[in-house]
Amino acid sequence: KAGVTQTPRYLIKTRGQQVTLSCSPISGHRSVSWYQQTPGQGLQFLFEYFSETQRNKGNFPGRFSGRQFSNSRSEMNVSTLELGDSALYLCASSLSPSGGATEQFFGPGTRLTVL
Amino acid sequence: KQEVTQIPAALSVPEGENLVLNCSFTDSAIYNLQWFRQDPGKGLTSLLLIQSSQREQTSGRLNVSLDKSSGRSTLYNAASQPGDSATYLCAVTRGDTQGGSEKLVFGKGMKLTVNP
Repeated sequence: KAGVTQTPRYLIKTRGQQVTLSCSPISGHRSVSWYQQTPGQGLQFLFEYFSETQRNKGNFPGRFSGRQFSNSRSEMNVSTLELGDSALYLCASSLSPSGGATEQFFGPGTRLTVL
Repeated sequence: KQEVTQIPAALSVPEGENLVLNCSFTDSAIYNLQWFRQDPGKGLTSLLLIQSSQREQTSGRLNVSLDKSSGRSTLYNAASQPGDSATYLCAVTRGDTQGGSEKLVFGKGMKLTVNP
């Protein structure tokens, strides 16, 4: 069974630009979550999507947005990039049956560098 | 607000030593706790998930214990090897998951170096 895949693996952008990251979950998984990892803040939750609906959202500005498609693939978008957005962006998927949280599996991440 | 702490932030041990990695959380109303391993520049690999109703879970050389009431979990690694060198993170999900939510709250991780 294929794992969680993320594209692209590396991105270099300049301040003010926007970026779109993609995540394909494990087949059959319906929940996709996004996290930002930086050396100073560690891993911080961005948002979670389930059945094309945002189910939970972290404390990030509105420049960070996401969506999920009917095949459970997800994208996140960051507009008006700032230097502080440089980070490793990780996507996780889980089965998430009704009620309760389940084991989460992470992708390799997208390393975003903002210059 | 749930906070997860892992102390120490880094640990260096000789090969063969038995390891005990600690994780503490402030809100005992968790649904489950998950331990991950992260190699430099890579994503997270799930090691073990333990439900809040469980006290202990084992997988290979790894054993995880959970004391929900005191807000503590321990990852025990028997006979460590150089290949075990990585950063280990623990994370919890909230207990109020009616209707579901997979949000994980992470500790900052513990960087382990196993010296041959």
